[in-house]
Amino acid sequence: NAGVTQTPKFRILKIGQSMTLQCTQDMNHNYMYWYRQDPGMGLKLIYYSVGAGITDKGEVPNGYNVSRSTTEDFPLRLELAAPSQTSVYFCASSYSSGSPTQYFGPGTRLLVL
Amino acid sequence: GENVEQHPSTLSVQEGDSAVIKCTYSDSASNYFPWYKQELGKRPQLIIDIRSNVGEKKDQRIAVTLNKTAKHFSLHITETQPEDSAVYFCAASGGDYKLSFGAGTTVTVRA
Repeated sequence: NAGVTQTPKFRILKIGQSMTLQCTQDMNHNYMYWYRQDPGMGLKLIYYSVGAGITDKGEVPNGYNVSRSTTEDFPLRLELAAPSQTSVYFCASSYSSGSPTQYFGPGTRLLVL
Repeated sequence: GENVEQHPSTLSVQEGDSAVIKCTYSDSASNYFPWYKQELGKRPQLIIDIRSNVGEKKDQRIAVTLNKTAKHFSLHITETQPEDSAVYFCAASGGDYKLSFGAGTTVTVRA
């Protein structure tokens, strides 16, 4: 049981490039989340999903897109990368609103130059 | 939406002393309050949580208290040890499965 896994661990992007951050969980969790964490700050919710085919915006969705075609996978897409998107990105999952504990992946460190 | 404020932003304690971190929240509908510990370069990990129908919860050296009327909750770490040095985040959820996080407290335990 690997829990929540993320790839890549680290990536450098040039301004204007695109990339997809991968997130997979093997706990059969219904809910999945993407957060960004800027240096010295808390976590800000980008997008979340309550099940396959259902996604919704969080607090800071601009510049990102998501999809949820399966229960296990929740990729985050960055289009036209900007320096403001330099951050550490964490994916998390939880079973349901009745079991709200969120389990985090190891994170992806992204640098946009 | 929910707004969570966390204080202090940094906390330095002598090994063996206690550490207290306080958080306030704005949405009276919030009913779930977890605390996460994040070591440098690592993922946040849940250390304790409390629901709104409970006033206090303990787990060994860690305890959390909740005051629903005042809309604040606190983390208490007793007999601090060097391995307690980390960043601690509080969070609140209104039952809509979304967490709002505080800005974090960097705890340093001095030997």
